[in-house]
Amino acid sequence: SQQGEEDPQALSIQEGENATMNCSYKTSINNLQWYRQNSGRGLVHLILIRSNEREKHSGRLRVTLDTSKKSSSLLITASRAADTASYFCATDDSGGGADGLTFGKGTHLIIQP
Amino acid sequence: NAGVTQTPKFQVLKTGQSMTLQCAQDMNHEYMSWYRQDPGMGLRLIHYSVGAGITDQGEVPNGYNVSRSTTEDFPLRLLSAAPSQTSVYFCASGSRRSPLHFGNGTRLTVT
Repeated sequence: SQQGEEDPQALSIQEGENATMNCSYKTSINNLQWYRQNSGRGLVHLILIRSNEREKHSGRLRVTLDTSKKSSSLLITASRAADTASYFCATDDSGGGADGLTFGKGTHLIIQP
Repeated sequence: NAGVTQTPKFQVLKTGQSMTLQCAQDMNHEYMSWYRQDPGMGLRLIHYSVGAGITDQGEVPNGYNVSRSTTEDFPLRLLSAAPSQTSVYFCASGSRRSPLHFGNGTRLTVT
C-alpha cells in the first residue's frame, strides 16, 4: 500500500516562480527522501531528511519534515524549465532501504517558459 | 561507472510467454530491488535483495521470480506473462551509505 501521498498531483507555474509540493505519510519513518523523474527516465535522488531533522537545504531545494503531522514539503526556488519533471517522496521505515522504499504517486511539475 | 544498467529497454510479449529482465550495477551496492510503475499508481516494490543469495518479496510479487547469485546482478523473471504485467519496470540499487540509484527502465507490453 502507498505510504506517501503527494499533493498536488499536478502543478504548473511560470519560470522563476517557486514550486511547493507536499507529501503525507501514515506510519513512523526513519527517513524521507525526494526523487525526480524526467520523462522516460529512471528516478534520481534529490535529498534525504532524517526523522530527527526538521529542515534541509540543497542548492535551490528546501525540504521540511514534520513528524507530528507525518508530512513533508519540497520547495524548489527560482524554478527553471529544466525542473519540469515528476517528483516523488519515498519513506524508509527500516533505516537502510533494506526492504525497499515506499513511494507516493508523485507530483507532475510543469515550468512554463 | 555505468551505474544501474537495465536490458532490454523495450519488450513486447504474448500472454503466456516467459522472459527475464536483466539488471546489473557496478557500484558494489548490497541492496537491489525491482519496482513497477503504472499510471496513477506510483512505484510499487516487487522483490528486493539485501545481498547475494538473499531475496524477499515486496508489495506485488505474484507472477515474478528473482535470484541474486552475485552482488552485481539481480534478474527479474516473468514466468507466464499476463496483460496485467504491462508496465514500466525499474531496477534500483543502494546501500546504508547511499540512496537508491535507478536504471532507466524496461517498458514491457503484454498482448
